Amino acid sequence: EDQVTQSPEALRLQEGESSSLNCSYTVSGLRGLFWYRQDPGKGPEFLFTLYSAGEEKEKERLKATLTKKESFLHITAPKPEDSATYLCAVKGSRLTFGEGTQLTVNP
Amino acid sequence: SAVISQKPSRDICQRGTSLTIQCQVDSQVTMMFWYRQQPGQSLTLIATANQGSEATYESGFVIDKFPISRPNLTFSTLTVSNMSPEDSSIYLCSVEGRTGVGTGELFFGEGSRLTVL
Repeated sequence: EDQVTQSPEALRLQEGESSSLNCSYTVSGLRGLFWYRQDPGKGPEFLFTLYSAGEEKEKERLKATLTKKESFLHITAPKPEDSATYLCAVKGSRLTFGEGTQLTVNP
Repeated sequence: SAVISQKPSRDICQRGTSLTIQCQVDSQVTMMFWYRQQPGQSLTLIATANQGSEATYESGFVIDKFPISRPNLTFSTLTVSNMSPEDSSIYLCSVEGRTGVGTGELFFGEGSRLTVL
């Protein structure tokens, strides 16, 4: 059974304090790893797709990386507007979501 | 990207009643997906709705409890029947991105937050 574990569950940062979120996974035949951002009261918003180990994708202050066992979402010099829950999902035979990391960036 | 509208955005319901959630997409799509997001838990797929055929339900979800309609390529409804407090959750409609057919690149509606008393 495919599994996705995200850590930490919650993370508080000061504005400008860079950090990383982790997504560990086990899947039979990875067909893609996906990162989403979810703001309170909203549906998830698609951010990135990664397909193979070593691949990296960037968008503004976010960079996603992928290894054979985990993915990291690096947040460089975060701002308060980066506060959200970040969800990771893997596609094997089906799409499996993690429980998310709730990020709070204080000004 | 697809624009997805869901109604209602939130509702408070009495035990034993049923509620229908509507999902409207701004473009024609083959598949529409219904997810449930319970507090502190991951997104769980309830069913996949294809136009012109019966919805495909995931393990643990049955048609009698969650009947789905898909009358055309831009619209779907999910009914939560005979509700109990355990059905309190956010229900999300989603579609695949145009470049992500068969992958996990999904666009979501803003969700319908149901509270069952």
